[in-house]
Amino acid sequence: QSALTQPASVSGSPGQSITISCTGTSSDVGGHNYVSWYQHHPGKAPQLMIYDVTSRPSGVSNRFSGSKSGNTASLTISGLQAEDEADYYCSSFTIRSTYVFGTGTKVTVL
Amino acid sequence: EVQLVESGGGLVQPGGSLRLSCAPSGFTFSSYWMHWVRQAPGKGLVWVSRINTDGSTTTYADSVKGRFTISRDNAKNTLYLQMNSLTVEDTAVYYCARAMLAGNPAQDYWGQGTLVTVSS
Repeated sequence: QSALTQPASVSGSPGQSITISCTGTSSDVGGHNYVSWYQHHPGKAPQLMIYDVTSRPSGVSNRFSGSKSGNTASLTISGLQAEDEADYYCSSFTIRSTYVFGTGTKVTVL
Repeated sequence: EVQLVESGGGLVQPGGSLRLSCAPSGFTFSSYWMHWVRQAPGKGLVWVSRINTDGSTTTYADSVKGRFTISRDNAKNTLYLQMNSLTVEDTAVYYCARAMLAGNPAQDYWGQGTLVTVSS
């Protein structure tokens, strides 16, 4: 199972919006709505930010939103803040009942 | 408060074995599917394995199938990952993670991880 494709890095200034893409295939991202996004600060536990493509867990800021079109899912962070600087990973359930993560995107707040 | 604490990591020689443990607290362990996910140094997250609530259903990534075994003891409130025939490519921080309820596969809580180093 190949990793889902994400841009290596995305940057933005405070207050701006950025979008991270996550491209898979019809066997994973395009096959259902079990797409999740995780924020990972190095050395800490990853945190679930989005599940089921668009849903936010309790406690996650509404500045984070998710969407999907075909085989590509996206995470948008609006009103970018310094604390958003981290690595972000998408993840998808697959038709083989396994899971696959994305390659990861480093978000830098300029 | 939900917490997951991994243990059992360390240095092991290629071909060796290691058993990781994950101790959950703050929730009813027996009601949740559980996962193991790993991250090699400088690399991204990679899903390893998952297990259902009573341990009767397990799934593995191709890279570990036949070498790793996930299991759980609900009476002891512990999740395990038995790792055999280890190679240098298995060097990583291993995280245990809880799946959301109602069969949703997203992992809503993660531990801090335990480092496994495979080296001669």
